[in-house]
Formats: sequence, structure tokens, C-alpha cells
Amino acid sequence: LAKTTQPISMDSYEGQEVNITCSHNNIATNDYITWYQQFPSQGPRFIIQGYKTKVTNEVASLFIPADRKSSTLSLPRVSLSDTAVYYCLVGDNQAGTALIFGKGTTLSVSS
Amino acid sequence: GAVVSQHPSRVICKSGTSVKIECRSLDFQATTMFWYRQFPKQSLMLMATSNEGSKATYEQGVEKDKFLINHASLTLSTLTVTSAHPEDSSFYICSATPRRGLQYEQYFGPGTRLTVT
Repeated sequence: LAKTTQPISMDSYEGQEVNITCSHNNIATNDYITWYQQFPSQGPRFIIQGYKTKVTNEVASLFIPADRKSSTLSLPRVSLSDTAVYYCLVGDNQAGTALIFGKGTTLSVSS
Repeated sequence: GAVVSQHPSRVICKSGTSVKIECRSLDFQATTMFWYRQFPKQSLMLMATSNEGSKATYEQGVEKDKFLINHASLTLSTLTVTSAHPEDSSFYICSATPRRGLQYEQYFGPGTRLTVT
């Protein structure tokens, strides 16, 4: 499974756009990139998933360059409630394949 | 989205006793479920893969005789912590993967906080 590298922490203010970049140099052809959000004492929550180029949903955008060796999660206009740990994971997305979590990025949003 | 539940959400037990944690997929069937453990300020650590109708696959360093996993149906997996000790106190999280077209998305339960006194 590809190893991922993310910043340990990031700080932001309410209303700003936050971009969290993840490096995954050894990503395999069959691997997808998935981002999860976790609040304290809760299970991780699926945010977004992509394979290449750009994916957008109601909460975030995911940018993946052509070489797929990195990806950027973009959170538009963050609020205090976006304070959480964000995990970038890479895997072949099959039913029997577990997700291996790295350390994640702790995002702190202030007013 | 798909819903995964866990029961109980919190449990306190005495050292030496056993505790069972249930993980259910509420609106989909899951042939495979996963169990994770998370200590304070740390990331999730995969403990085992639970397969319906067969034995679980444990990660290196996880004692299979201590953490008993039973996946008796397509919607239920249980984790039993046997002879619990204070060092087993942790946040236990399960996950399952419903199918969305050709892709799978892994959904997590809300977690179970185990405290061993």
C-alpha cells in the first residue's frame, strides 16, 4: 500500500480556503485517493475520493495532478466546525482491502 | 450514505473480564469489515480484517486469542476483548465497504470507548 505524507498541522481562520496537500510518490495504477475527516471520539467520516484530475462535491474539492504523486484537498470557506484531523489514504478501493492510516493533518480553525 | 453502527458506545470493565463490541452495517451487506484501534492523539491502527463466514485475518502484533472476532452474518461483526487489562483501554472503530458502482467506499462506525479499570 502506498505511503502518504501530510503536514502534521495547519492553522486557519474562519472564511478562508484551506488546502491540504498529500504526497504519495509510490501510488499504484489501481489506487484511488480518499480523504477522511475525524473529530475527537468519533469514527472517520468520508469526505471525497478521486482517481485523477479534479473531483468536487458539496463539501470539498480534490485536485490530483497528472502524475498522481500528490493530491490536494481544498476546503472552501472553513468554519470553526471544520477543526478536525484530516487523513489522506491511498488504496485499490476493493471491498477486501483495508485502509492504512498515516498520521493525518490536524486543522485548527480560529475565529 | 451508508451507515455503520457500533454498540456499546462506551464501556467500562474491570481488569480480567471480557467485553464484546458489536459492529453493524445498517443499510447494506458487508462481506468484509475491519477493526481499528486508536489511542489518544494517535492515528487509527488496523487490528484485523473480519470476513463473513471465515476466520479473521489479524495484523502483525495483534493477539488473535485476546481479540476474538466473529463475523456471523453479512451485517454483523463482533470484537471480544478477552481478559481485558488497563493497556487495552482504547477507542475501537469498525468499518465496512458498501459497493457504489465499480468502486467501494469505506464507512466507519462511531467507535467504542473501552476503559479497563
